[in-house]
Order: sequence, then C-alpha cells, then structure tokens
Amino acid sequence: AQSVTQLGSHVSVSEGALVLLRCNYSSSVPPYLFWYVQYPNQGLQLLLKYTTGATLVKGINGFEAEFKKSETSFHLTKPPAHMSDAAEYFCAVRSGGSNYKLTFGKGTLLTVNP
Amino acid sequence: ETGVTQSPTHLIKTRGQQVTLRCSSQSGHNTVSWYQQALGQGPQFIFQYYREEENGRGNFPPRFSGLQFPNYSSELNVNALELDDSALYLCASSLGGLAVRTDTQYFGPGTRLTVL
Repeated sequence: AQSVTQLGSHVSVSEGALVLLRCNYSSSVPPYLFWYVQYPNQGLQLLLKYTTGATLVKGINGFEAEFKKSETSFHLTKPPAHMSDAAEYFCAVRSGGSNYKLTFGKGTLLTVNP
Repeated sequence: ETGVTQSPTHLIKTRGQQVTLRCSSQSGHNTVSWYQQALGQGPQFIFQYYREEENGRGNFPPRFSGLQFPNYSSELNVNALELDDSALYLCASSLGGLAVRTDTQYFGPGTRLTVL
C-alpha cells in the first residue's frame, strides 16, 4: 500500500522568502511522485512530477522538488515566494507499473504575507 | 486543445436522492479517474475507466457507479445520497494504458455537491 504524509497543514511565509513544503511517502515499489496546486474553488493543477532519472525536478512557476529515496521524501521548494503562490498544495504518489491511482496527502495551505 | 471539463459546477441534493456528474476528458485521453475531495482533505480515489471499462476502484460503496462513453467522456452516479457525500468531485483524464510509464492525470475544475 502507498501513502503520503505532508508535514504541516498550514505554512506561512513572508513575500520573498523561501517556500518549503514537506512530503514523505511510503511505497512498496519505485514511486512516481507529483505535486499539485489548488487555488480556491478550482481543480488541481500539476506543478511538477518525478518518474525516473534526475532527482531534482523543475516545474512551473519556479517550483522545484527533490526526490530523496533514502529519506522517502519529495519536498517542494520555491525561492522566492510571491503573493500569487498562496494556495493549497498536494503531494501525491503513484506506484509504477499497472497501479493506476493517485494517493494524495491531506494538503498544505500556504499563506504569503506582504 | 481543450482541457478537462465538468458539469454542473454546483449541485444541491437532499438525502436519499440520486445524482449524476459529468466529465469530458482532455483531447487524446482515453482514461478518466474520479476523486472525492471532502472539505479540508486530499482527494480520495473513487474509480478509473479505461476504454469504457472500469480499471480499478477505491474504497467506496457500490452506490457509487460510473460509465465511460465511446468518446471517452464519463459519468459518476451516486445513489441514495448521504450527508457525508457532500464534497468536491474531481475528474482527471490521462493517456492511460499499461505501456504509458509516466502517465499524468490532468484535473477538471470539479463539481461541488452539497447534500442536505
């Protein structure tokens, strides 16, 4: 079975500061990992994904995430934070092969203070 | 290229009623997945359809059912609605198929269902 833990249901940063959102996963097979963002009253937008290869993944809007197998982590970062980054962020895992579903964490709400 | 669309945007039903939610997949995608997102929670997988066949199901009762049509659009049907069914229902489309190793799901805007 696969699972995702997002540490911190709410993270608050100042505009211009580094954003760090934490995600740890559990998977019995090599995982595919995703970060999605959700703005109020909207669906999920893909930020970035890790499948194989380079462990540092770059996504849209300046976001990055690093896959660390030894730590079973896939933390999301963005320097610097903008007011427009305020949203809810979800980490998700999909096991490789024929396992088809995404398992999401509970989400982290990011607020950006001026 | 059009993205994933869902209808209706909002819906209010009463306990015991039935509801049908609709999803049009992104152009070129043959797989549709449905998720339930309760308030303050991450999305939970309901089921997936690949080429009109159910391709896996999450931990949801049989009163949650679905269909996929030849044009790969999909419906989610929920019978005997309960208060706990109140949630945002998200549809996601993808290329699908076991040969697609890096399959990515693209989400629609969701349907907000309120059960009174």
